Amino acid sequence: EAQVTQNPRYLITVTGKKLTVTCSQNMNHEYMSWYRQDPGLGLRQIYYSMNVEVTDKGDVPEGYKVSRKEKRNFPLILESPSPNQTSLYFCASSLSGETSYGYTFGSGTRLTVV
Amino acid sequence: AQKVTQAQTEISVVEKEDVTLDCVYETRDTTYYLFWYKQPPSGELVFLIRRNSFDEQNEISGRYSWNFQKSTSSFNFTITASQVVDSAVYFCALSGEAAGNKLTFGGGTRVLVKP
Repeated sequence: EAQVTQNPRYLITVTGKKLTVTCSQNMNHEYMSWYRQDPGLGLRQIYYSMNVEVTDKGDVPEGYKVSRKEKRNFPLILESPSPNQTSLYFCASSLSGETSYGYTFGSGTRLTVV
Repeated sequence: AQKVTQAQTEISVVEKEDVTLDCVYETRDTTYYLFWYKQPPSGELVFLIRRNSFDEQNEISGRYSWNFQKSTSSFNFTITASQVVDSAVYFCALSGEAAGNKLTFGGGTRVLVKP
């Protein structure tokens, strides 16, 4: 089944404790992206990757890191999480970054930073 | 810059009523794509429709229909004869040619269908 898999689904952590949210897709998609969802703000792009070893900032990159060492994986790293990073996070992939095919989204990761 | 506005934050209807969700967008691109996604209470994002800027034909799919009007930069979504299972948050999104594959989302409209 074609899908984007995120882990974990739920995570509660303490301020400052480094964490990684994993994302993997099995569709050989070139483009991958991370979004965060906050009430009233919709989804905002954090980082995206056009292909392996090619990443760039989205609209709200502060406090986040990403890497794209393999085509299928695109982890999101929070080096020192803070309470304002409490949010619902989505990983997404798309066939290409050159045009808009729309996204396949993962199931989401609900992160709480206390 | 791209912008999507969903002015309605929440709509409450009784089952079998029709409900229309408004979406207004801004873009400088001549080629762009518009999307609607549904987020049910379980939280996942479900793709509903994708339209490009050159195709203003309105579309009907079952109980769903979409009204794309370039003149008013609107891409409205109607659920006919709503059902409880339609209760969800609905997002309108835009991807412009200049932004590559980046999707810009509106703030979402929560639809509550009461039995």
